[in-house]
Amino acid sequence: DGGITQSPKYLFRKEGQNVTLSCEQNLNHDAMYWYRQDPGQGLRLIYYSQIVNDFQKGDIAEGYSVSREKKESFPLTVTSAQKNPTAFYLCASSMRITGELFFGEGSRLTVL
Amino acid sequence: DQQVKQNSPSLSVQEGRISILNCDYTNSMFDYFLWYKKYPAEGPTFLISISSIKDKNEDGRFTVFLNKSAKHLSLHIVPSQPGDSAVYFCAASGINTNAGKSTFGDGTTLTVKP
Repeated sequence: DGGITQSPKYLFRKEGQNVTLSCEQNLNHDAMYWYRQDPGQGLRLIYYSQIVNDFQKGDIAEGYSVSREKKESFPLTVTSAQKNPTAFYLCASSMRITGELFFGEGSRLTVL
Repeated sequence: DQQVKQNSPSLSVQEGRISILNCDYTNSMFDYFLWYKKYPAEGPTFLISISSIKDKNEDGRFTVFLNKSAKHLSLHIVPSQPGDSAVYFCAASGINTNAGKSTFGDGTTLTVKP
């Protein structure tokens, strides 16, 4: 089945450590995105990529980094510079011209 | 300034009745609106969308209405079922803006009681 796979589903990190969240899609979508969701809030865009080897900052990119070396993969690194990293992270993809996003199941990151 | 607002954090309805979820927006450049449904610990799934050239779009039990002059849209679910209990997000995007750059509301938690 086509879809988006995020891993790990749950992740614990000590302060000062970088962590990388994986996102893989087999939908052949050009565009991929990373969102963050905090309790009681909507989704906020961290980074997005419309094509391989290219990506742009979203609304809350500070403390995060991404890469897009393959069409299928868009990993997100939460660096130690991110001051409040505990959150639910969602990866999504879309075809270039259609409206809807297809989301993964999310990764919950907790900083201890 | 929040450009997409869902003013009701929660809504509770009886099974079989109508659920109406509301969304207001402030940016007149928005021309495409989407609703997503999200269960706990899962990613959102696309539910229904509407373009600004329409005022209504229907898909089975789900209908979205758009009032451009009031900058208001609503999602109607008829009849409501317990499986509809979830968080519903309204999202809006503008001309030539790709899907991922939609602006999301904070969500409304719908509870459908048996």
